[in-house]
Amino acid sequence: NAGVTQTPKFQVLKTGQSMTLQCAQDMNHEYMSWYRQDPGMGLRLIHYSVGAGITDQGEVPNGYNVSRSTTEDFPLRLLSAAPSQTSVYFCASSYGPGNNEKLFFGSGTQLSVL
Amino acid sequence: RKEVEQDPGPFNVPEGATVAFNCTYSNSASQSFFWYRQDCRKEPKLLMSVYSSGNEDGRFTAQLNRASQYISLLIRDSKLSDSATYLCVVSSYNTDKLIFGTGTRLQVFP
Repeated sequence: NAGVTQTPKFQVLKTGQSMTLQCAQDMNHEYMSWYRQDPGMGLRLIHYSVGAGITDQGEVPNGYNVSRSTTEDFPLRLLSAAPSQTSVYFCASSYGPGNNEKLFFGSGTQLSVL
Repeated sequence: RKEVEQDPGPFNVPEGATVAFNCTYSNSASQSFFWYRQDCRKEPKLLMSVYSSGNEDGRFTAQLNRASQYISLLIRDSKLSDSATYLCVVSSYNTDKLIFGTGTRLQVFP
């Protein structure tokens, strides 16, 4: 009964380092997305995918890449980390596009960029 | 102006009290509305969808006012376990994106 599995839970990076946040779901959801949550800003959409092989940009895509080679996995890549990317990151999935579907969230990744 | 606005609170209420939150949205084309609950340092979880005619789930009642472009959440007989941040979520017609408000923090005290 895994749901949405997100790793790692915590990560500290130095400016300029790269890393990948992993997200996997076992519910056969077509829709997957990445959000970042900052104090006073709410959750902001970074990238999303409506199915394998299809990705699109959200509200704050700069500095992040995604790919969707399988239905289950939707990794988020930081190519060159910056302090402005210090945030809590959530992966989420649902059966269909976000309009009327319940979003299932992963447990989050606390990322600090020094 | 933010697309979705909420009073950040905190709302401090005693157990048993009734409390209401409002959330305003700017896009009149918005079609779907939700309330999510987020506990401290945890992921958001769907509390309830909001339907045009209003809907109730136990102690929770959600209302939609399209004319004034706001949704509300009413919590009756507050419990200590209701302490959390409540996120208002709105989506526009025919898009794949949900817009989250910054949340309203509720603290229920004994």
